[in-house]
Amino acid sequence: QQQVKQSPQSLIVQKGGISIINCAYENTAFDYFPWYQQFPGKGPALLIAIRPDVSEKKEGRFTISFNKSAKQFSLHIMDSQPGDSATYFCAAPGSPSNTGKLIFGQGTTLQVKP
Amino acid sequence: DGGITQSPKYLFRKEGQNVTLSCEQNLNHDAMYWYRQDPGQGLRLIYYSQIVNDFQKGDIAEGYSVSREKKESFPLTVTSAQKNPTAFYLCASSVVTSGGADTQYFGPGTRLTVL
Repeated sequence: QQQVKQSPQSLIVQKGGISIINCAYENTAFDYFPWYQQFPGKGPALLIAIRPDVSEKKEGRFTISFNKSAKQFSLHIMDSQPGDSATYFCAAPGSPSNTGKLIFGQGTTLQVKP
Repeated sequence: DGGITQSPKYLFRKEGQNVTLSCEQNLNHDAMYWYRQDPGQGLRLIYYSQIVNDFQKGDIAEGYSVSREKKESFPLTVTSAQKNPTAFYLCASSVVTSGGADTQYFGPGTRLTVL
């Protein structure tokens, strides 16, 4: 069974700073690694995802960095804003079989102070 | 609008009662999933279905049951056998690809409270 370890559990950043969240996975025969953003009382929404034929993907202020040999990937939020305050989840494929399952990390609660 | 709807938003259950949570999608996705989220916890998979009339247990299926009679619907029943059902329940759907996992789209969730 795939395990996904996410850190830190919580993060406080000043407005304009860089937020960095890390995830480590165990093994997978498929390569799809998404990050989800969740606001209180809402369902998670896809923020950005990578299929690591590339080591980095950037969308606006959000960047995924992927290190396949280390089985780690991270989310960088540049110029963090108070509106970014939310819980962030990483995920990795749940099994080598073609089930579409994702295994989620424990989540990181980000607070961006004005 | 395309998307996933869940109802009700809030649900209260008495001890010993079964309750059913609704999940409907109009995204034409083959796969659907049910997750449970507890405070400060990640998302734990209860059941998933890749095709109509077929579903598999996830990591925490005990005390839950599902059906998949239609492509767009995947209701979850929380039975009286579930010892600690108070949680936030999330439904999701995705396409099924040869490459394995793909983006899962989530509904707004149902918060279940046992009285």
